[in-house]
Amino acid sequence: AQSVTQLDSQVPVFEEAPVELRCNYSSSVSVYLFWYVQYPNQGLQLLLKYLSGSTLVESINGFEAEFNKSQTSFHLRKPSVHISDTAEYFCAVTGNTGKLIFGQGTTLQVKP
Amino acid sequence: DAGVIQSPRHEVTEMGQEVTLRCKPISGHNSLFWYRQTMMRGLELLIYFNNNVPIDDSGMPEDRFSAKMPNASFSTLKIQPSEPRDSAVYFCASSPDWLAYYGEQYFGPGTRLTVT
Repeated sequence: AQSVTQLDSQVPVFEEAPVELRCNYSSSVSVYLFWYVQYPNQGLQLLLKYLSGSTLVESINGFEAEFNKSQTSFHLRKPSVHISDTAEYFCAVTGNTGKLIFGQGTTLQVKP
Repeated sequence: DAGVIQSPRHEVTEMGQEVTLRCKPISGHNSLFWYRQTMMRGLELLIYFNNNVPIDDSGMPEDRFSAKMPNASFSTLKIQPSEPRDSAVYFCASSPDWLAYYGEQYFGPGTRLTVT
């Protein structure tokens, strides 16, 4: 069985500050890892994913996440956040079934 | 591409009434997923179809919930009778097989259901 734990339910941060959203997973099989973002009143959108290869993956809007197998983590980082990054962020994992298992979500609140 | 389309966007109904939520997946996507999102339980997978066939319905909470996919371009999630604890946002997501295997899904905007 697989599970995902997002360690922070809310992360307040000032604009242009760096941010890290933490995600740990547990699985007995090899996994694929994802970060999805949900803007207010919208559905989820894929932000970035790790399938294989380089453990550092990046999104087009400046986010990056690093797969750390030994620590079973997939933390999301951005060196400088914008007001528009305010959203809920979900870490998710899937094995070889295609079923996504989501964490509880972290609300990123970017303040001016 | 119009993306995944869900209707209605908002639904308010009284306890005991039947509720039908609708989803049109992205054309060419043959995997379809229904999720429920609540504050208490987060995002839960209810049921998963592949090529219009239900593959995994282990997340369907009880017999009051049913889902169908009569063709590749339409799916429904029905609750009968509805109860206040069914209040949630219901998402539909779709994916082509080759992306579904790797967990990449495209979500609709959701239907916010309120049962009074």
